Amino acid sequence: GESVGLHLPTLSVQEGDNSIINCAYSNSASDYFIWYKQESGKGPQFIIDIRSNMDKRQGQRVTVLLNKTVKHLSLQIAATQPGDSAVYFCAENNYRDDKIIFGKGTRLHILP
Amino acid sequence: GAGVSQSPRYKVAKRGQDVALRCDPISGHVSLFWYQQALGQGPEFLTYFQNEAQLDKSGLPSDRFFAERPEGSVSTLKIQRTQQEDSAVYLCASSFTPIGQESTDTQYFGPGTRLTVL
Repeated sequence: GESVGLHLPTLSVQEGDNSIINCAYSNSASDYFIWYKQESGKGPQFIIDIRSNMDKRQGQRVTVLLNKTVKHLSLQIAATQPGDSAVYFCAENNYRDDKIIFGKGTRLHILP
Repeated sequence: GAGVSQSPRYKVAKRGQDVALRCDPISGHVSLFWYQQALGQGPEFLTYFQNEAQLDKSGLPSDRFFAERPEGSVSTLKIQRTQQEDSAVYLCASSFTPIGQESTDTQYFGPGTRLTVL
């Protein structure tokens, strides 16, 4: 997996604004993509997923966009709340393989 | 609760000691995974079980790491002769379907065990 060391990229967003977290994935054979949220001291929590036959999927307050041409994934969080503060990881997988490959994490910081 | 549980949540070991980390997957989940997460990084795959069969152990960093799932439910990750570089959070995840099915299934993670080797 990719390593970001001790210094995660940080996105600071005003409470109530929309957040956009971007991710570049590595394997063109991946056909399943997931966003996980990880709060301090907890395991990764599933947020939303998308399969490669789609380019957009919406959940509650979250939208994932997939651009297979440039191998780019984004997570949009609407009306960001203090409880959204966490590290967000994109991840890729395919049904022929077992391991999820996690991308670089992004720390989302909510400004009051 | 119905989620993945892990114990202990925290483990401190002296260098050279053996440790055993337990994972209770979601009931009925066929697939079980172990990941290692170093500080400030994303989780990295260690090993995969389908029921009691360990089908992939390519991510285990050395032969000091051993995992088992003898009855196809609870799994134990054992680390022998711990070293300082083994300090990390060890995450367990489970999913309902086996790998290789036409549709990939979501992996659900437990809270992890934070291992500190002194």
